Amino acid sequence: DTGVSQDPRHKITKRGQNVTFRCDPISEHNRLYWYRQTLGQGPEFLTYFQNEAQLEKSRLLSDRFSAERPKGSFSTLEIQRTEQGDSAMYLCASTLAGANVLTFGAGSRLTVL
Amino acid sequence: QQQVKQSPQSLIVQKGGISIINCAYENTAFDYFPWYQQFPGKGPALLIAIRPDVSEKKEGRFTISFNKSAKQFSLHIMDSQPGDSATYFCAAFSGGGADGLTFGKGTHLIIQP
Repeated sequence: DTGVSQDPRHKITKRGQNVTFRCDPISEHNRLYWYRQTLGQGPEFLTYFQNEAQLEKSRLLSDRFSAERPKGSFSTLEIQRTEQGDSAMYLCASTLAGANVLTFGAGSRLTVL
Repeated sequence: QQQVKQSPQSLIVQKGGISIINCAYENTAFDYFPWYQQFPGKGPALLIAIRPDVSEKKEGRFTISFNKSAKQFSLHIMDSQPGDSATYFCAAFSGGGADGLTFGKGTHLIIQP
């Protein structure tokens, strides 16, 4: 499979717990993006990496959110002390730097009870 | 500030008809305008895209019309089929920007048999 993989596909957690999502991009892609999508809305940019460097973070990314891409390959998005407002689909996308076409994964749906 | 405005929010079209979705943008730095198609439980998938130096692009039953002076672009789906029922997002990308794609809020399209 040469697409973008995300895991888990669905996570249900209680408020206050920590959750972590993983994204495996297309192998030759050096740029990786995280987006958040809530019901009835378009995806909203959270952060992106070029190789292992996190180059941009949205104001949407509170200090409870942290993302890493330690070796420039897979990435993780961790949410600490989850709140009900964090319930959303978290999408990962990858591309080559300088290219415009983002390839998205199927997303990780978070439900915070 | 919403930089890409999309309408209508929902659309019902009879099979064989033409589906039209409109978008307007504000940021003149945008230089790439893709449309994404999203089915329930899936990530967005690139459908068709256009650059502002072209007024129209056609791929099969899908056509983008682009009006640079009005800062508007639209997606036309000819001979709409039930399998086209999905949510469609217009988006805009700035080559000089760091935050990837800016998405519209989406149009939920239903093609009635």
